[in-house]
Amino acid sequence: QLQLQEAGPGLVRPSETLSLICAVSGVSADSIRSSSYYWGWIRQSPGQGLEWIANIYHNGYTYYNPSLRSRLTISIDTSKRQFSLTLTSVTAADTAMYYCGRHRITEGRNYPGEIDYWGQGTLVTVSS
Amino acid sequence: HMTQSPSSLSASVGDRVTITCRSSQAITTFVNWYQQKPGKAPKLLIYAASKLESGVPSRFSGSGSEIDFTLTISSLQLEDFATYYCQQSYSTPPWTFGQGTRVELK
Repeated sequence: QLQLQEAGPGLVRPSETLSLICAVSGVSADSIRSSSYYWGWIRQSPGQGLEWIANIYHNGYTYYNPSLRSRLTISIDTSKRQFSLTLTSVTAADTAMYYCGRHRITEGRNYPGEIDYWGQGTLVTVSS
Repeated sequence: HMTQSPSSLSASVGDRVTITCRSSQAITTFVNWYQQKPGKAPKLLIYAASKLESGVPSRFSGSGSEIDFTLTISSLQLEDFATYYCQQSYSTPPWTFGQGTRVELK
């Protein structure tokens, strides 16, 4: 029904900028324009738990993790059915598997809710 | 902040398994549960504390409200050995995950 596919550089040098893209495809791909969903990024450091990064709505409204906010930008291009994440000034602590996902919105509120579709993830290693 | 326990447990096929999450503030029922197998993305099991995601076996159930939440597997199957995460999706960010519970074969 819906597929999400992350694309990223694999290896990034310390202090450089990480750019990731999530391509949305499948029968339900037009849901990227829907008012029923947010789109977002989650990461998982090796052997560790999950960390929410950022969300974006079809109209460009965004939420960011405060701990990363100063280094993050999330954007969306509904015509291309994709959304993107940039993270500046990366360090080894940013080494992780990065997942994109679709967040449902609970009726009556306008916050990202549960993640019903996930990409397979793209591994990003920060190293010189 | 979500405090999940235990961090790991050992169980046998057929066992009843319970995993808990405690929130640092009242969050009504805005809790979701995910299952993650090695090398795979997480999979949504339960949303809004107790609602079973479509296609998820009925042996999975969720309960709780405000502070304390529980994921229960009524009869553990081989395919259920995995790591489980809770997540809160209440009001303002960050929308945090629990630390995870690894369910291993005894």
